[in-house]
Amino acid sequence: SQTIHQWPATLVQPVGSPLSLECTVEGTSNPNLYWYRQAAGRGLQLLFYSVGIGQISSEVPQNLSASRPQDRQFILSSKKLLLSDSGFYLCAWTLGSGMGYTFGSGTRLTVV
Amino acid sequence: AQSVTQLGSHVSVSEGALVLLRCNYSSSVPPYLFWYVQYPNQGLQLLLKYTSAATLVKGINGFEAEFKKSETSFHLTKPSAHMSDAAEYFCAVTSGGSQGNLIFGKGTKLSVKP
Repeated sequence: SQTIHQWPATLVQPVGSPLSLECTVEGTSNPNLYWYRQAAGRGLQLLFYSVGIGQISSEVPQNLSASRPQDRQFILSSKKLLLSDSGFYLCAWTLGSGMGYTFGSGTRLTVV
Repeated sequence: AQSVTQLGSHVSVSEGALVLLRCNYSSSVPPYLFWYVQYPNQGLQLLLKYTSAATLVKGINGFEAEFKKSETSFHLTKPSAHMSDAAEYFCAVTSGGSQGNLIFGKGTKLSVKP
């Protein structure tokens, strides 16, 4: 069966520090992968998506970047965190949007 | 372009009462529609989906939704609310295919009063 792993679950980082959040999918091949952010009262914001290794589409210009070094690995990064980067980050995968997305359990990032 | 509108950012019902969460969509092609539930500090969990088969879709936890093309709606209902239904609910639409992305509504937070 397919599973999605996202870590860490919580993270507290100082302003200006780097960030690396990792997401891996098991039990499937060539999934579409997504990074979303939830900030308080702002719903789900699509940050990046990827349809294949090395292929990254950015939906919102910002302080973050994403990479897909392997088929089932999706990494969200920042060189220098801002206070506004605080939020709940969710990774998701699908083999086709008509099937819906499967979400990871999320990472709560607090930038202090 | 596709879009989703969820009417009411907060809905409060009493335990045992009917739950009705509203979702209207806009799509120029036949849509696929979804409802997700999110409990605090957790990821989103699929409740149910419409993919052009039966217009009345049954999901987990006693929820169901009806696709009404003439009203461009996909409202979520449950006959009798439980305290455990308190969560945030998201409606989403897509045109399907390998490249299409899900478009999410802003969410509706459901509170259940004892």
